Amino acid sequence: DGGITQSPKYLFRKEGQNVTLSCEQNLNHDAMYWYRQDPGQGLRLIYYSQIVNDFQKGDIAEGYSVSREKKESFPLTVTSAQKNPTAFYLCASRAATSGNVDTGELFFGEGSRLTVL
Amino acid sequence: GNSVTQMEGPVTLSEEAFLTINCTYTATGYPSLFWYVQYPGEGLQLLLKATKADDKGSNKGFEATYRKETTSFHLEKGSVQVSDSAVYFCALSDRTGRRALTFGSGTRLQVQP
Repeated sequence: DGGITQSPKYLFRKEGQNVTLSCEQNLNHDAMYWYRQDPGQGLRLIYYSQIVNDFQKGDIAEGYSVSREKKESFPLTVTSAQKNPTAFYLCASRAATSGNVDTGELFFGEGSRLTVL
Repeated sequence: GNSVTQMEGPVTLSEEAFLTINCTYTATGYPSLFWYVQYPGEGLQLLLKATKADDKGSNKGFEATYRKETTSFHLEKGSVQVSDSAVYFCALSDRTGRRALTFGSGTRLQVQP
């Protein structure tokens, strides 16, 4: 089945360590997104990529980095510079728009929960 | 910029009660509007959507109508079930630029038997 796979589902990190969260999609979608979810705050956009080899900062990019070397993959690195990294991280993708009506719908993975010890 | 405001939760209802979760938005242009649902420990699933004014999105007994004059997209269901217990997010999508979703803070629904 087509979808978005995030791994790991749970991750524990010591302070000062970088960690990388994986996001893979087999939907053939061009655009991919990373969101952070904190209790009571909804989802906030970290980074997004509209096309391979290109990505842009979202609203809360400080302390995070991404890469987009393949269409299917959009890994997120949480660096030691991120002051409060404990959160639930969600990856999403959006279908290509050329020749199709783009309603803006995003498809989400199951999420990765990061806890800093 | 774009923003979405949802009613605060938790909303606690008895089974078969009527549900309304209010959602209003601020946006430039003509966004698409969405309701997503999140079950514990999971990602978000699209519940319904509407892409233009007066459109009604519906799915699994839930409905919401895109009201441009009141900038609202309230979620309703005539008879809730225990299995509807989840967190519901209202969101809008800008049609230009980053084309990302802007979310409300979410409303937790608890349905008691």
